Amino acid sequence: AQSVTQLGSHVSVSEGALVLLRCNYSSSVPPYLFWYVQYPNQGLQLLLKYTSAATLVKGINGFEAEFKKSETSFHLTKPSAHMSDAAEYFCAVSDRGGDKIIFGKGTRLHILP
Amino acid sequence: DVKVTQSSRYLVKRTGEKVFLECVQDMDHENMFWYRQDPGLGLRLIYFSYDVKMKEKGDIPEGYSVSREKKERFSLILESASTNQTSMYLCASSPLDRGQETQYFGPGTRLLVL
Repeated sequence: AQSVTQLGSHVSVSEGALVLLRCNYSSSVPPYLFWYVQYPNQGLQLLLKYTSAATLVKGINGFEAEFKKSETSFHLTKPSAHMSDAAEYFCAVSDRGGDKIIFGKGTRLHILP
Repeated sequence: DVKVTQSSRYLVKRTGEKVFLECVQDMDHENMFWYRQDPGLGLRLIYFSYDVKMKEKGDIPEGYSVSREKKERFSLILESASTNQTSMYLCASSPLDRGQETQYFGPGTRLLVL
């Protein structure tokens, strides 16, 4: 069965510092992987996704993630945090046989001035 | 722009009431989903539908039912609301393409059951 584990339900970084949000997945087949972001009082929107092309995936707002099969990881990074990045971030995985995706429990990112 | 709309942003209902949550998408997507979101639990799939009149149970279907009479509309029904169904409900849609397609979310309905 597929699953996603996000390390840290809350992460705080200073404005201008590196953002690193961790995601590990479990899947019996090569997965599709996603990062979604949820700003306060809004639905989720896609940040980026991995669908077996390049292992380094670039998304919106300066975020990127690297698929590492050997580590079963898909960590999200951004070189320099901005106050507007404060939100909840969800990692998700789907297999190649269906249309459901499994979401992690989410990581709330706090940006310190 | 893909648009997924939900009928209400906030709802307050009483225990035992029948509750309807409506979701409409304007991109002709085959798939539609209902999730509930609770702090510390992330998103959990209640039901999804891959075609008109088709539905499949997700991870937590108990206490819920769904209806999809038209392709663009997917309704979530709480037959007899209970306090443990107080939550944020999110609707999403996606094209039918074996798991790699983006899901597009509505803004959510925050339901309080008293």
